[in-house]
Amino acid sequence: QKEVEQDPGPLSVPEGAIVSLNCTYSNSAFQYFMWYRQYSRKGPELLMYTYSSGNKEDGRFTAQVDKSSKYISLFIRDSQPSDSATYLCAMSADSGGYQKVTFGTGTKLQVIP
Amino acid sequence: KAGVTQTPRYLIKTRGQQVTLSCSPISGHRSVSWYQQTPGQGLQFLFEYFSETQRNKGNFPGRFSGRQFSNSRSEMNVSTLELGDSALYLCASSSDRGRGYTFGSGTRLTVV
Repeated sequence: QKEVEQDPGPLSVPEGAIVSLNCTYSNSAFQYFMWYRQYSRKGPELLMYTYSSGNKEDGRFTAQVDKSSKYISLFIRDSQPSDSATYLCAMSADSGGYQKVTFGTGTKLQVIP
Repeated sequence: KAGVTQTPRYLIKTRGQQVTLSCSPISGHRSVSWYQQTPGQGLQFLFEYFSETQRNKGNFPGRFSGRQFSNSRSEMNVSTLELGDSALYLCASSSDRGRGYTFGSGTRLTVV
């Protein structure tokens, strides 16, 4: 079993829809949770960064972390065609004074105009 | 502020050859990590360097190696290339205990 599980999709939604992307994990030591967006032929870019449980909002994006369920989510409101990309969750734990990051395999999202 | 620069962007090599990839991190970032990305396996961690020292290593064979220079630039080397080494190789930099990585655009390696 992988440490981080993420549904690969693809997920197709109409423009304006609310998108929900999710990851589950097994390592209870994870403390830092991130979401990256990756466009085709580009490297991933950091979208959201949260520490421990709770919600964080940035514009149309909201990240949620539920450590008791080992479950994290990214919500995208009013989705746009420019949101079409692969979304990767990532999480890390302090390991000897630094963080070791583990990525999900990514969910491919297509927003249809 | 310049981002993470990886060179070259594309490479085609023959089985058995070796290859060296280069990464220049964001100015001031001392940590450089390397990942291999393939459609089936996603992002797999290769190694991380901090202040010229490898401080973490993933589960890749010894054919994969790396180093970091005093200016934080990093190189990774793959010797005796195999077809299965075809992938996007991504470099990411971060400040020590920083908030996540900044990735480069990657080097797409094709082994034929």
